[in-house]
Amino acid sequence: KQEVTQIPAALSVPEGENLVLNCSFTDSAIYNLQWFRQDPGKGLTSLLLIQSSQREQTSGRLNASLDKSSGRSTLYIAASQPGDSATYLCAVTNQAGTALIFGKGTTLSVSS
Amino acid sequence: GAGVSQTPSNKVTEKGKYVELRCDPISGHTALYWYRQSLGQGPEFLIYFQGTGAADDSGLPNDRFFAVRPEGSVSTLKIQRTERGDSAVYLCASGRDAYNEQFFGPGTRLTVL
Repeated sequence: KQEVTQIPAALSVPEGENLVLNCSFTDSAIYNLQWFRQDPGKGLTSLLLIQSSQREQTSGRLNASLDKSSGRSTLYIAASQPGDSATYLCAVTNQAGTALIFGKGTTLSVSS
Repeated sequence: GAGVSQTPSNKVTEKGKYVELRCDPISGHTALYWYRQSLGQGPEFLIYFQGTGAADDSGLPNDRFFAVRPEGSVSTLKIQRTERGDSAVYLCASGRDAYNEQFFGPGTRLTVL
């Protein structure tokens, strides 16, 4: 059974710092991996999708990497801003390649 | 174009009642998913539709939960004889097709008293 773990559970940094969020998964047979952002009381906003054949994706200040063989992904946020404060969720597809299996998230707080 | 929408945004009901939650996916998206999120947890998969048919309902917790998508667009999640443990945020997502990026709606917060 696929399990997704995100470390750390919470992170506080001052504005301007570069930071890395970690995601690990137990079964390397995934179709893709998706990173989301969730603001309190809101739905999920898709940040980046990495296909299983890819090793990384970039969007603005965000860079996500994928190492299928080791079951790991990282989300790198450059020059963090207070507006980046949110919970970041990592999710991988199930073995059927359809539903997403989520970690519990990392709650990020960026102080000005 | 509009994103995924869900109604109602909040639903309070009493134990034992029946509820329906509605999801309007992004136009043209054939894949539709329902998830449930409890406080402090990531979303948990409930059911996946490809077109009108439920291609994977392995996440439905029991037979009190049922979902339909009769015309391949709007979907309704139905919960019978609600229990306090059903209280959660119910999220809907859609995608162009299976295996593609999933886009989520704002969710329906269900509270069972």
